Amino acid sequence: QQQVKQSPQSLIVQKGGISIINCAYENTAFDYFPWYQQFPGKGPALLIAIRPDVSEKKEGRFTISFNKSAKQFSLHIMDSQPGDSATYFCAASRDSSASKIIFGSGTRLSIRP
Amino acid sequence: ETGVTQTPRHLVMGMTNKKSLKCEQHLGHNAMYWYKQSAKKPLELMFVYSLEERVENNSVPSRFSPECPNSSHLFLHLHTLQPEDSALYLCASSQSHGDGTEAFFGQGTRLTVV
Repeated sequence: QQQVKQSPQSLIVQKGGISIINCAYENTAFDYFPWYQQFPGKGPALLIAIRPDVSEKKEGRFTISFNKSAKQFSLHIMDSQPGDSATYFCAASRDSSASKIIFGSGTRLSIRP
Repeated sequence: ETGVTQTPRHLVMGMTNKKSLKCEQHLGHNAMYWYKQSAKKPLELMFVYSLEERVENNSVPSRFSPECPNSSHLFLHLHTLQPEDSALYLCASSQSHGDGTEAFFGQGTRLTVV
């Protein structure tokens, strides 16, 4: 039973384009939705996170859109750059606790020059 | 660097071997975690330690044995593993295992069981 479903599994975007990764969750008790970025040979690192009391959060070129009624959230990367090529994981947790984070299966993003 | 260091980076072991993975965090955190990362699967939380006490064990087979001698060090002792245990093992730490805490991950140990 996958509590956080992530799509697509892989994504290729041209440089300068918009990368969009989608996630859906089941448990309405989740109250913290982080996105992690993982480069090859590295561990995941927190990129941006949102709580369900807002519908959007923007940090630089990265934006999370959150739809509480649909139980969906997505990551948008504007003006995608080759340096953004990485695997992205969405996640959700109850009580925003690090020990209760449920991860999606990941999206491998490749930005073509 | 995130302040969480894992050694070794790569490990190949036979099914009858005994080996240990080591994790050290330099962030002054009180909680440490072991995760398993397999290809095309979500990260799986294996163990959680808070103030050197195990607070979670997510149905992990007994061939994986964690040890937390102090709040800065975490080990994962491995014995009689199976080929399906081959994966990237990630250590993480956070200020606490409770509310509002960000997890910082190490670079992982790539384990291959032959």
